[in-house]
Amino acid sequence: EAGVAQSPRYKIIEKRQSVAFWCNPISGHATLYWYQQILGQGPKLLIQFQNNGVVDDSQLPKDRFSAERLKGVDSTLKIQPAKLEDSAVYLCASSLDPDTQYFGPGTRLTVL
Amino acid sequence: AQKITQTQPGMFVQEKEAVTLDCTYDTSDPSYGLFWYKQPSSGEMIFLIYQGSYDQQNATEGRYSLNFQKARKSANLVISASQLGDSAMYFCAMREGQGSYKLIFGSGTRLLVRP
Repeated sequence: EAGVAQSPRYKIIEKRQSVAFWCNPISGHATLYWYQQILGQGPKLLIQFQNNGVVDDSQLPKDRFSAERLKGVDSTLKIQPAKLEDSAVYLCASSLDPDTQYFGPGTRLTVL
Repeated sequence: AQKITQTQPGMFVQEKEAVTLDCTYDTSDPSYGLFWYKQPSSGEMIFLIYQGSYDQQNATEGRYSLNFQKARKSANLVISASQLGDSAMYFCAMREGQGSYKLIFGSGTRLLVRP
């Protein structure tokens, strides 16, 4: 069984630029999550999708972050415009049930 | 508000010995789940073990066991017979409520296994 795929693995941009991350969950997993992990901290949930609907986006900075999961499969997370404090690893995860979330390798974003 | 606390920023253990990583939590919900994840330097979060709040027995998965003390609100991870490949960051996390999928993570403990 293929795991959660993410791309790109690394991205370096300058502040005020825009960036997009892509995630393909494990086949059949209805729930998809985006987490932000700042260096030295644990991951923080940004947004959770159930199929193509948003379940929780309470910690998503909506003035600059957006995410979509149009066909209930893969998802895109966008930042526009990026700030220095957005430098972090962005982790995508998927699950079939509440007790197991499978994580992808993450995208390491550096904002200069 | 729910909270996860990991008080050990870093730990050392000798290869083949056991080590305990501490985790305490705070929640008012009687139904919750506790998780431990391993994050090697490659960055991927690897699921290790899960304990439900109503589970009577402590969870075990191979060399990993979860020492669940409900009254103390602690969920310590015990790794037996440490291996060099166990060197990584370890995160404790909690899911609150039945049917809730959201995980709240602690700040992590960096474990270094010495040969």
